[in-house]
Amino acid sequence: DAKTTQPNSMESNEEEPVHLPCNHSTISGTDYIHWYRQLPSQGPEYVIHGLTSNVNNRMASLAIAEDRKSSTLILHRATLRDAAVYYCILSSLVNAGNNRKLIWGLGTSLAVNP
Amino acid sequence: DAGVIQSPRHEVTEMGQEVTLRCKPISGHDYLFWYRQTMMRGLELLIYFNNNVPIDDSGMPEDRFSAKMPNASFSTLKIQPSEPRDSAVYFCASSGWTGPGSEQFFGPGTRLTVL
Repeated sequence: DAKTTQPNSMESNEEEPVHLPCNHSTISGTDYIHWYRQLPSQGPEYVIHGLTSNVNNRMASLAIAEDRKSSTLILHRATLRDAAVYYCILSSLVNAGNNRKLIWGLGTSLAVNP
Repeated sequence: DAGVIQSPRHEVTEMGQEVTLRCKPISGHDYLFWYRQTMMRGLELLIYFNNNVPIDDSGMPEDRFSAKMPNASFSTLKIQPSEPRDSAVYFCASSGWTGPGSEQFFGPGTRLTVL
């Protein structure tokens, strides 16, 4: 299974942009890149996903390197509520079918300073 | 919808006892996932089901663990006998599909402590 590597922790100031990096050098051509986050004492929640092109949604932006071996999650203006563990995940095909599963890393714990 | 429901939220048991964790997925979701989360290993997929059928159980640690999904609205994860190293937070998640961009919705988790 392809793996992802992320910094253990990062720190940001409120209302400043945050760039969370992820390396996935063994990604396969059919793997999608997903990001989830986990707030304290809660289950993870979906943030964003992409394949090759950069993606934007109301929560964040995802920048994917041209060779797809790395990606960056961008929070444009961090708030205190963004303090969480952010997981960079590969969505990989299971067996020979169309089903996929998420291969989780250990995540980056983001602290946001007021 | 109430989201994914898990019970109990906390479970404390003694080594050797049987533990049963329960999950009710979001109505209409065809996929159900069981995860285990520990500080050392992070979030690990144990097993997942599609239309009540197990698709991938390669993450199930050993024979002490078993999971069932008797119908579309209920699943159990059983540990028998339990051991202290099984202490973790167990999450259940569901989704409507597993294709690109599919979103998994997680329950609040069950914190299991085995003494």
